[in-house]
Amino acid sequence: GAVVSQHPSRVICKSGTSVKIECRSLDFQATTMFWYRQFPKQSLMLMATSNEGSKATYEQGVEKDKFLINHASLTLSTLTVTSAHPEDSSFYICSASGTVNTDTQYFGPGTRLTVL
Amino acid sequence: SQQGEEDPQALSIQEGENATMNCSYKTSINNLQWYRQNSGRGLVHLILIRSNEREKHSGRLRVTLDTSKKSSSLLITASRAADTASYFCATVGVNDYKLSFGAGTTVTVRA
Repeated sequence: GAVVSQHPSRVICKSGTSVKIECRSLDFQATTMFWYRQFPKQSLMLMATSNEGSKATYEQGVEKDKFLINHASLTLSTLTVTSAHPEDSSFYICSASGTVNTDTQYFGPGTRLTVL
Repeated sequence: SQQGEEDPQALSIQEGENATMNCSYKTSINNLQWYRQNSGRGLVHLILIRSNEREKHSGRLRVTLDTSKKSSSLLITASRAADTASYFCATVGVNDYKLSFGAGTTVTVRA
């Protein structure tokens, strides 16, 4: 149980285009989903937290207009990287938890974004 | 924000040996968790230890927590080639639910 999927697993796009990444909880309802960014050989940095039906809470330094997050249902959250630039190239990972203050987050397999 | 620091950054051991890695953190926690990440993949939750616990076991994994020193250790016994991965500690603050990750330890198990 507690499986989280992400789609796509890899995406290559041209500079200036927008890219949407989906995060789905397959066998449980995710009240809260988290989006992380990971640069090569580095740790995960939390970008934002989203609760179903409400606006996402962004961490300091993360541009909300650049990284649009939508959590429209209890099983789906999307991250849209708008007007992507090469510096946005990274590994984006989502996670989901079943209740707001749960102890354990279940992670998706990640999406490798390369912006040319 | 990233609060954990892990050492060593990298560890190379022979199959069958034990691997120990440490994690230190700065602020009071509700719990501390260890995750494994295989190259280019997502994270797998290994074990959670609460602030009122001192030691926990799960299969070949042993985790200790010393809240007075604000540190934790992860021991992998009888390592296997499949244990090759990066290992991260992550803390959850007292009045929080967000995970704050350490920098990670890359473990290579040689056959």
